[in-house]
Amino acid sequence: NAGVMQNPRHLVRRRGQEARLRCSPMKGHSHVYWYRQLPEEGLKFMVYLQKENIIDESGMPKERFSAEFPKEGPSILRIQQVVRGDSAAYFCASSVVAGGTYNEQFFGPGTRLTVL
Amino acid sequence: SQKIEQNSEALNIQEGKTATLTCNYTNYSPAYLQWYRQDPGRGPVFLLLIRENEKEKRKERLKVTFDTTLKQSLFHITASQPADSATYLCALARDTGRRALTFGSGTRLQVQP
Repeated sequence: NAGVMQNPRHLVRRRGQEARLRCSPMKGHSHVYWYRQLPEEGLKFMVYLQKENIIDESGMPKERFSAEFPKEGPSILRIQQVVRGDSAAYFCASSVVAGGTYNEQFFGPGTRLTVL
Repeated sequence: SQKIEQNSEALNIQEGKTATLTCNYTNYSPAYLQWYRQDPGRGPVFLLLIRENEKEKRKERLKVTFDTTLKQSLFHITASQPADSATYLCALARDTGRRALTFGSGTRLQVQP
């Protein structure tokens, strides 16, 4: 059973370009979470999605960032007009949620975004 | 404001000893608490989950305690090995309906052979 997959693993963009980060959850998992980790800092929650629905986007910056988890295909985190401060490791996690249980989250290897 | 604190200083211990890491939180009423391990350049790996009504949870050489009165969790690794060297993160979810995790900044453990 393949784990959470993220691609690309490394992404370099110039200021003003767009970054698209992809996440394929573990088989059987229908819940996806995106976190950001700045250098020397902890993981910060960004957004939680189910198929075709954004459940919680309280950690997402209001501008330039968007996320989707379509019916088919991977979840996408999109950053428009990137700035240097967006340079970070972006981790995706997935979980299987069965009514009321406390499911652990399984993390992917991350995408390291560098903005020049 | 809500805060999760882990000792930011690295913990250095000798192989075979017990490592104890601390996670303190304020202004939270977490339904459960999780511990993860993170190696450099990799994503966190889930280790243990403990619910608010549980005092202690064990898994092989790992033990977690959860004191909701003190607002503290302790994470123990017994008979530590150099392979246990990593950063250990505690994470809280505020309630079962809110599944996003809030992570502490982690404590780096170094086990010397």
